[in-house]
Amino acid sequence: NAGVTQTPKFRILKIGQSMTLQCTQDMNHNYMYWYRQDPGMGLKLIYYSVGAGITDKGEVPNGYNVSRSTTEDFPLRLELAAPSQTSVYFCASQRYQETQYFGPGTRLLVL
Amino acid sequence: AQTVTQSQPEMSVQEAETVTLSCTYDTSESDYYLFWYKQPPSRQMILVIRQEAYKQQNATENRFSVNFQKAAKSFSLKISDSQLGDAAMYFCAYRSATGGATNKLIFGTGTLLAVQP
Repeated sequence: NAGVTQTPKFRILKIGQSMTLQCTQDMNHNYMYWYRQDPGMGLKLIYYSVGAGITDKGEVPNGYNVSRSTTEDFPLRLELAAPSQTSVYFCASQRYQETQYFGPGTRLLVL
Repeated sequence: AQTVTQSQPEMSVQEAETVTLSCTYDTSESDYYLFWYKQPPSRQMILVIRQEAYKQQNATENRFSVNFQKAAKSFSLKISDSQLGDAAMYFCAYRSATGGATNKLIFGTGTLLAVQP
C-alpha cells in the first residue's frame, strides 16, 4: 500500500517557468489537499478537493491551479513561477472524518 | 476563523526525561478534532496523536499523551522517556468536525524539539 505519493522530490525552476507537481493516493480517499510549508512555519492550505471534479481554493491559492479528474490524482500546477513560491509542498488525502495522510513532500526552489 | 498557537519555538529535553509541548487554539465550534504531527528532518508528516473534542478522556499512544482542556482551549503533548528519535518539529493542528469543505487542517507554527543524549 503506497499511500500518498508525490513527484518530483526536488525541483529547481527559473523565474517564469511552469511545472506540475504530481500527487496520487491509492486509498480511495475522497478528500485531497495541497499545502505549502515555508521555512520555520506551519502548513498553509493552497487548494483542496472533496471529490473528482470538485476543487476549491484554500488560504493561499494565488499562482496555482489544480484539477481532479480522478479520485486518485490531484496535480498542482504552477504557472509563471516566482521566488515567493520557493517552499516545500505537501499533498494529503483523507476519507471523510478520518485521519489525514501526507505525502513525502516536494521541495521547490525558484531562482 | 479558527487559529492554532504554539508559543514555544524550540524546546530541549534530556534523553529518558519527560517534556511537554504547549498548544492553544481558538474556535467557536463545539465539535472538532485536535492533532499532533511530528516532522523529522526527512520532512515526512507523521501523525502522533489525535483527540476528539467530545471525548473527555485524554488520548494516549505509548509514550505520547495529551492534556486536553476544552474550556481553556489548550492541548498540550507530553512525551515520556524521550528518545533520540523523538527529535523533530512538532505541529499542533485543528480540524472542524462539521464535515464538507471544512475538513482542512489548521496548523500552528511548530515547536522544534531537541533531545540531548
